[in-house]
Amino acid sequence: QKEVEQNSGPLSVPEGAIASLNCTYSDRGSQSFFWYRQYSGKSPELIMSIYSNGDKEDGRFTAQLNKASQYVSLLIRDSQPSDSATYLCAVNFFGNEKLTFGTGTRLTIIP
Amino acid sequence: ETGVTQSPTHLIKTRGQQVTLRCSSQSGHNTVSWYQQALGQGPQFIFQYYREEENGRGNFPPRFSGLQFPNYSSELNVNALELDDSALYLCASSVTIVDEQYFGPGTRLTVT
Repeated sequence: QKEVEQNSGPLSVPEGAIASLNCTYSDRGSQSFFWYRQYSGKSPELIMSIYSNGDKEDGRFTAQLNKASQYVSLLIRDSQPSDSATYLCAVNFFGNEKLTFGTGTRLTIIP
Repeated sequence: ETGVTQSPTHLIKTRGQQVTLRCSSQSGHNTVSWYQQALGQGPQFIFQYYREEENGRGNFPPRFSGLQFPNYSSELNVNALELDDSALYLCASSVTIVDEQYFGPGTRLTVT
């Protein structure tokens, strides 16, 4: 069974701090990984994609991938109240090009 | 470049009815995927179309069907609606089947 797991939260982080969101997946044949942000009542918005081991930075966001540990994370630096949302981890498993999503982590930034 | 659009925004149907949801992909995006998202859950893959051919299907019954047209538009049809079909329906487009997928705003379907 190919699965993507996330802590549902809620995760509360003070404004200005680093928010750390984690995701594990069950299959070693995964080839691409994505983080989406979803505000309540809205559709998912792509934040980051990562394809190889290591870190990828884009502004205040850093995605980290460790394929050996089957682990992908998203760090949000200098967290802002506008970052309060549900963050969805999605994995594209090799040979099965659909995206498999986790259930999402609800993040709240406390002013 | 326009983004992904979906219509209608909201829809209320009665159990047993049929519904058609529509999506317009970004120009140049040959792949469209449809997802169902229940409240508090991540999106669940329904099916994917690449250049007007079905490229994969999730664990949904045959009463969920789709089409993709040459003009980057697509549709999701659901027959014999059930109460559990109430959800947010999302389409996502990408250049190829392995590229980043960009979601439309979704259609909120309520079945009563």
